[in-house]
Amino acid sequence: RKEVEQDPGPFNVPEGATVAFNCTYSNSASQSFFWYRQDCRKEPKLLMSVYSSGNEDGRFTAQLNRASQYISLLIRDSKLSDSATYLCVVTLSGYALNFGKGTSLLVTP
Amino acid sequence: EADIYQTPRYLVIGTGKKITLECSQTMGHDKMYWYQQDPGMELHLIHYSYGVNSTEKGDLSSESTVSRIRTEHFPLTLESARPSHTSQYLCASSGGGNEQFFGPGTRLTVL
Repeated sequence: RKEVEQDPGPFNVPEGATVAFNCTYSNSASQSFFWYRQDCRKEPKLLMSVYSSGNEDGRFTAQLNRASQYISLLIRDSKLSDSATYLCVVTLSGYALNFGKGTSLLVTP
Repeated sequence: EADIYQTPRYLVIGTGKKITLECSQTMGHDKMYWYQQDPGMELHLIHYSYGVNSTEKGDLSSESTVSRIRTEHFPLTLESARPSHTSQYLCASSGGGNEQFFGPGTRLTVL
């Protein structure tokens, strides 16, 4: 079983829609959680860290459920520029990140 | 914006050549990493370093080697490139927190 599993996608949504991605992780001792964004043929960029209490950054809300071992990312009022692959990332020991395969989002006019 | 640099950005070489992919960061981060990513696929960790003179192999077996003589520099070397090495190689670094910052990548094609 992979360390990190994500919704397979792709998600095609109209501009202005709300879209949610889920991600599950297998190791209950995992310590840190992140969402990264990767544009086509570019490097991953940190979108936001995920905290147990949940956190929000503008249109983006991330939540962590340790009991169920899943992480979510909610994007409100989708923009065309949100089109990218979103990577769920979990770290166990603090040295290396476990990346999910990513979920592709396409926001259409 | 993260200050991590990779050169070259693109490289096309013939089989059997020795190559070194450069990675430098100006953030003073102790930890550095190399990932390999094929188009449309997930990232795979191939090497990492906790600091100067520390190098470890990652989850994905790789024929490449790395060195960490200076904090800011983490080059990756392929002694004899083969077509199976064709991929994108991404370097990253992290400091006190666990967030990693990535360089722009080197896209390698071995003919």
